[in-house]
Amino acid sequence: DAKTTQPNSMESNEEEPVHLPCNHSTISGTDYIHWYRQLPSQGPEYVIHGLTSNVNNRMASLAIAEDRKSSTLILHRATLRDAAVYYCILMNYGGSQGNLIFGKGTKLSVKP
Amino acid sequence: DVKVTQSSRYLVKRTGEKVFLECVQDMDHENMFWYRQDPGLGLRLIYFSYDVKMKEKGDIPEGYSVSREKKERFSLILESASTNQTSMYLCASTEDVGHRTYEQYFGPGTRLTVT
Repeated sequence: DAKTTQPNSMESNEEEPVHLPCNHSTISGTDYIHWYRQLPSQGPEYVIHGLTSNVNNRMASLAIAEDRKSSTLILHRATLRDAAVYYCILMNYGGSQGNLIFGKGTKLSVKP
Repeated sequence: DVKVTQSSRYLVKRTGEKVFLECVQDMDHENMFWYRQDPGLGLRLIYFSYDVKMKEKGDIPEGYSVSREKKERFSLILESASTNQTSMYLCASTEDVGHRTYEQYFGPGTRLTVT
């Protein structure tokens, strides 16, 4: 699976938008971009995923660059409960054995 | 609400003991996974299963075995626990890869300490 690069940490103020970047310059045409987050003392939690088009769901939005070499997870209004480690993961369904390969992720801190 | 449950949140065992970690999912998922999570190393796949009685080695299977006798249950077994198996163990499940949505659901984790 192709690798991703994320900043180690980011800070945000409560109720402000947060843009979490991810670089994946070696992404292949069939790689899906997945985002998971892990709150303290919990298992990872699915956030969103996409292939080429931008995606929205109740938790977040995913903006994918036109060349697909980068993407951005957008939390529209950060809350204290959004403080977590966010992982950007590439998944090639056809060539994958199904597991997710987690990198180090971005630790998001949210200040009141 | 979908759920993956793990038998214990915290477990302390002695070196040499046989340890069983249980995972149950209520979503009728075909695929189940066992990962361990260590600081600086991220999540690493130990074993996974595509179906009942099917198992495949992941990246770090040494010292572990698994059992899947029923679709909803996937057990991780440490045959003879060692201190280097002190870790957070996470179970996950998902529908068949062919469904493409491929959201993995994780349990809360079991923090195992081997003394």
